[in-house]
Amino acid sequence: GAVVSQHPSWVICKSGTSVKIECRSLDFQATTMFWYRQFPKQSLMLMATSNEGSKATYEQGVEKDKFLINHASLTLSTLTVTSAHPEDSSFYICSARAPELVWDTQYFGPGTRLTVL
Amino acid sequence: GENVEQHPSTLSVQEGDSAVIKCTYSDSASNYFPWYKQELGKRPQLIIDIRSNVGEKKDQRIAVTLNKTAKHFSLHITETQPEDSAVYFCAAPKTGSARQLTFGSGTQLTVLP
Repeated sequence: GAVVSQHPSWVICKSGTSVKIECRSLDFQATTMFWYRQFPKQSLMLMATSNEGSKATYEQGVEKDKFLINHASLTLSTLTVTSAHPEDSSFYICSARAPELVWDTQYFGPGTRLTVL
Repeated sequence: GENVEQHPSTLSVQEGDSAVIKCTYSDSASNYFPWYKQELGKRPQLIIDIRSNVGEKKDQRIAVTLNKTAKHFSLHITETQPEDSAVYFCAAPKTGSARQLTFGSGTQLTVLP
C-alpha cells in the first residue's frame, strides 16, 4: 500500500513553454500532497503544500504564478511550470500523506526530471 | 523555522562495518523523525522513523536513536552491505506545521566491498 506515481518521469522542453507534472496516490486518498525540488547533490527543498479542494501553500521564495498547483481530487495533484527557463531544470518530486494509514509519513513519487533547453 | 543539521556529508565504510549518521534539530516541540534512503535518480524511500515517546527503534540492521534533551537523533546501520550505498536524509517536522518536513542536507554513504 501507499504507492505514489508521477508522470512523466522525464521531460525536455523549450524555454518559454509550460510543463505539467502529475502526482497520483494509487491506493489511498491523499488529503495533502507536497511538491519538492531537488538540484543535483542537494537536499529536497519543499516548494509547496497542496490541499485537496483548496489553494496550495507556497514556501517563501517560490513564485505561485510560475509554479501552478492544482489538487482537484483526493488522488491527484498537478504542478505546472509556466514559462520554463533553463534555471527551472531540476528533479521535481511529489509526496503524499495518508492519515488513515500512518499519520505523519510522507510517501514519495518517483520524481520527474525536467530539462529546459 | 526548524533547522535540521546532518553530519557527515560523506561516509565511507568497509563492508560489514557499522555506519552512523547524526542529525540535530532546533524545535523542541518536534515529535516525529524519519530517515529516507535515496539511490541515484530514484525516489526517497522511508527506511525507519521514530516518534518522541521512545528513545530507540530497531528494524533488522537499521536502528534510530533519539535524544530529546540534546535534540539530536542518529541512524545506525550495522553489518553494512554494498547495496546500502546511497544518500540518506533525516527530516523533522517544520516549525509550526504538523505536516511539513524539513530535510537534512544528506549523507552520501559508500560501502566498500
